[in-house]
Parts: sequence; structure tokens; C-alpha cells
Amino acid sequence: DTAVSQTPKYLVTQMGNDKSIKCEQNLGHDTMYWYKQDSKKFLKIMFSYNNKELIINETVPNRFSPKSPDKAHLNLHINSLELGDSAVYFCASSQDSLGGRFSGANVLTFGAGSRLTVL
Amino acid sequence: AQSVTQLDSHVSVSEGTPVLLRCNYSSSYSPSLFWYVQHPNKGLQLLLKYTSAATLVKGINGFEAEFKKSETSFHLTKPSAHMSDAAEYFCVVSLGTGGFKTIFGAGTRLFVKA
Repeated sequence: DTAVSQTPKYLVTQMGNDKSIKCEQNLGHDTMYWYKQDSKKFLKIMFSYNNKELIINETVPNRFSPKSPDKAHLNLHINSLELGDSAVYFCASSQDSLGGRFSGANVLTFGAGSRLTVL
Repeated sequence: AQSVTQLDSHVSVSEGTPVLLRCNYSSSYSPSLFWYVQHPNKGLQLLLKYTSAATLVKGINGFEAEFKKSETSFHLTKPSAHMSDAAEYFCVVSLGTGGFKTIFGAGTRLFVKA
């Protein structure tokens, strides 16, 4: 039973289109993340949600909009796709609690990734 | 400010020889440190973590890492490389005060020759 699952695994689309990537975790974790991995394997955090609340929003174009309907799901919607959006997008989760208490040493559990190719 | 530097972008070893992947960090607080491994076309998997307990940390698949505060290092080692160890390895530093600041190194690609 997959702990962090994301769909689709592969996505090929044209410039200007709008697409979504979905993520679900069945670990009962409080926090979920979206990371972008470029062609050089560099991982950059995009967003983080804790119990459906946005807590990290790095410098990401506002064409990217995360949505968390509940703490087990974090979806990523991308409008007006550009060539530079081509990358692998990873969803992750961790058992952290907001409110100052540090727990679990922020161990991240990753999904298998969604490879987005914009033509 | 926190940062993490992986000193080698690529490391190549022969099967059966030792592996050393180097990582230096910078942190204003007592850090939590991790190594993750990413096999081709896969997600990242936790290898091991350091959270201010024993300075020598043992992980999965025979890997271990030693936290050296005086050198601000957290190098990953394995006594004998296996072909299946060929992958990308990421050193990660995390700020453990209830915040969610996690910084990934740029990664080290490990090649294992037969």
C-alpha cells in the first residue's frame, strides 16, 4: 500500500495548457509538500501545507496554485504552462506539528514523482 | 543561515571498494541531518538521520554517517560498494525548532563499476 501516491506519473502537454497533479498520503502525517526537481537533479521546495494551512510559499510564479482539501491531500494546479515548467514534481509528507513543537526530526516521505514535459 | 554543500557532484568506485560521499553544513542551530537516496526514475528514500543522539549513525543497506561538529561535516560511507548502490545521494539539513526549513544539497551521483 503506497504511503505517498501522486498522479499522473507522466504528463506531456503543450505550452499554454493548464494541468493538475494530485497527491495523497495515507500515513496520517500533518504536513505535505511539493518539490520541483530540475534536469540537474536540484530539489527546490515550492509549497508546504500543515493541516490544510499554507505555511511555506517559496518564490514560485502564481501560475502554480496548491490546494489542500484535507490534510491527506495536496494537489498542484499549474496554469498557462511554460517550457521552463518541465521538471519532475515530487510530493512529500512529514509528521511535524505546527505550534513550536519539534517532532520526528522532519523525516520526509516522498512520492515517486510526476514527470511533466511541456512542448 | 543554513546551507548544505555536497563536495562532489560525481563519485565513481569499483564494486567491493569503499564509498565516501562528502557533505558539509552550516547552521545557526543544532541541526538535524539526513541522507536520502534516489534511484533512477524513483522518489527519494531516507537512508539515515542524525538528531543529536549518537554521532555515528547507521542507516539502511550498510551505509553510515558520522556527525562531526568541529568540522561541520556529515559524510556518508559504506565499506563495500554494490552495483545496486548506483544512485543519486542527497545530504539534507533541517531546522528543528518547529519550523519547516529543510534544505537539500545539490546531490552526488554515485557510479559503481563492475
